[in-house]
Amino acid sequence: DVQLQESGPGLVKPSQSLSLTCSVTDYSITSGYYWNWIRQFPGNKLEWMGYISYDGNNNYNPSLKNRISITRDTSKNQFFLKLNSVTTEDTATYYCVGDSVIRFDYWGQGTTLTVSS
Amino acid sequence: DIVMTQSHKFMSTSVGDRVTITCKASQDVNIVVAWYEQKPGQSPKLLIYSASYRYTGVPDRFTGSGSGTDFTFTISSVQAEDLAVYYCQQHYSTPYTFGGGTKLEIK
Repeated sequence: DVQLQESGPGLVKPSQSLSLTCSVTDYSITSGYYWNWIRQFPGNKLEWMGYISYDGNNNYNPSLKNRISITRDTSKNQFFLKLNSVTTEDTATYYCVGDSVIRFDYWGQGTTLTVSS
Repeated sequence: DIVMTQSHKFMSTSVGDRVTITCKASQDVNIVVAWYEQKPGQSPKLLIYSASYRYTGVPDRFTGSGSGTDFTFTISSVQAEDLAVYYCQQHYSTPYTFGGGTKLEIK
């Protein structure tokens, strides 16, 4: 079964950039699927942030404007989230998720990020 | 953005009861709606996709229905392990959006 595992710093200061990594096992990220980042805020609201497709195309949530970038390293079977100019409102649990076009099939366990000085 | 509204934030039920959770989309999303279960301390887990199709390994006590703007998710006979928050989600168009969640409490 496809497995995803997030990793990240845990704590970031306001105005800095956030970088997270998702490592995918038992499936090549170039074979299919769309590879997403979804976050869950305190209070449990879920927000889709964006994806990189199996062929390298991106689609981002307009609410994140120009702050977001999702890239990949196909040699390591990983994809990445970069979010610039973070504020305390970016404090959340971040999930990487595999998507088969009509549903979010595979979820990582999530990594908690706190933005605080 | 398409807004997904789950009108009940909490529902209280007993083991063996039938419970139905509703979700309304702010515009027509055809049948491209999924339902997820999130147990305490876990990530969300896909239960239903395309409004009514059960995902692999999901028990048949979980069912979904609806199309257009109105969707329902039913547990035919609630079990103690169904204590969770249930979310609807539209995959019809980006940005994909989720309902606010319905927390199922077992009496």
